[in-house]
Amino acid sequence: DTEVTQTPKHLVMGMTNKKSLKCEQHMGHRAMYWYKQKAKKPPELMFVYSYEKLSINESVPSRFSPECPNSSLLNLHLHALQPEDSALYLCASSQELTILPQYFGPGTRLTVT
Amino acid sequence: AQSVSQHNHHVILSEAASLELGCNYSYGGTVNLFWYVQYPGQHLQLLLKYFSGDPLVKGIKGFEAEFIKSKFSFNLRKPSVQWSDTAEYFCAVNADRGSTLGRLYFGRGTQLTVWP
Repeated sequence: DTEVTQTPKHLVMGMTNKKSLKCEQHMGHRAMYWYKQKAKKPPELMFVYSYEKLSINESVPSRFSPECPNSSLLNLHLHALQPEDSALYLCASSQELTILPQYFGPGTRLTVT
Repeated sequence: AQSVSQHNHHVILSEAASLELGCNYSYGGTVNLFWYVQYPGQHLQLLLKYFSGDPLVKGIKGFEAEFIKSKFSFNLRKPSVQWSDTAEYFCAVNADRGSTLGRLYFGRGTQLTVWP
């Protein structure tokens, strides 16, 4: 089973709202990733967690706040987003940072109004 | 930093035609190579991967790719495409050392449209 699940599938939020995206995997993977994908573009890496510790932050604005409460869960907390933050947010996991491939979830389609 | 080039932005084929999508990368060391596919409205799925060994790798749905180290290339091929192969195809590269650890570098993608 190589399934990564993400909730919600769709999210519409105003610029003053606070919301969270959730990602879950039960493959025993210890590396988890957040990506942002705009239409017809490749995914852009945002954050990487390894063994529940933040390993990479690709200079993402502080209005995006990741959290890894345990080895199976990854959250992305959103606050005061801008319309240009509207995109597909993808979660991925891999066995470890050095053991690939990365398996992707279906994504959350975020619209900021 | 690594870079990945997919020279074909949009490829249009008829069913049963042969397919080859180009992918070149810039890193000179040991790399791991991947092709992902994204069908309309769906998530990224792993098509095939290369870590080491036989440079010709076979993936799902009849796809294969050949790693040519001297050309820094990892081209994707399929002998006979089907309408259901219509999708966006992404080449991705990882080098598991130093500052690149944990980073998967994607090409810009190739949109394949297959006409029935």
